[in-house]
Amino acid sequence: LAKTTQPISMDSYEGQEVNITCSHNNIATNDYITWYQQFPSQGPRFIIQGYKTKVTNEVASLFIPADRKSSTLSLPRVSLSDTAVYYCLVARTSNDYKLSFGAGTTVTVRA
Amino acid sequence: DVKVTQSSRYLVKRTGEKVFLECVQDMDHENMFWYRQDPGLGLRLIYFSYDVKMKEKGDIPEGYSVSREKKERFSLILESASTNQTSMYLCASSSGPQGGYGYTFGSGTRLTVV
Repeated sequence: LAKTTQPISMDSYEGQEVNITCSHNNIATNDYITWYQQFPSQGPRFIIQGYKTKVTNEVASLFIPADRKSSTLSLPRVSLSDTAVYYCLVARTSNDYKLSFGAGTTVTVRA
Repeated sequence: DVKVTQSSRYLVKRTGEKVFLECVQDMDHENMFWYRQDPGLGLRLIYFSYDVKMKEKGDIPEGYSVSREKKERFSLILESASTNQTSMYLCASSSGPQGGYGYTFGSGTRLTVV
């Protein structure tokens, strides 16, 4: 599985947009980029997944450039409840059931 | 919504005890996983199972075993608990690889071995 690199922490204020960039230089053709969110004392929760270009759902947007060597998770207008750890993962769609989680990015939203 | 239920939120066990961590999912998922989470190390995969009675080692299987006798239940066993197994244990299930989509995690069991 491709290794991912993301910032250890980010600080923001309520109402701002938070962008977390993840690099995955060795991504393979059949790899997808997936982001999970984890609140304290809970298990990770799926946020968004993409293969290329842009994906948007009710929680976040995911931007993937043409070379797919990086991706950016965008959280619009964050609130205090968005304080969490965000994990970027690269995973296959077949023959590989394992998810590899790095240390993630701790996002702290302040009032 | 898929629910993954772990039997205990907190456990305290003594060194040398045999410890069972139970996980049940209610969405008929084929795949189930056990991770441990430690500060600064992220989540590390211990074991996973893609079918009843099937198991595969993850990245850190030493000191652990698993059991999957029924599709909905996946148990993690610490044969002889040690203090370095003090950790948060997370169970997850999924219906397929799907590039990481749709893995559902339980709320975790915080195990302390004294």
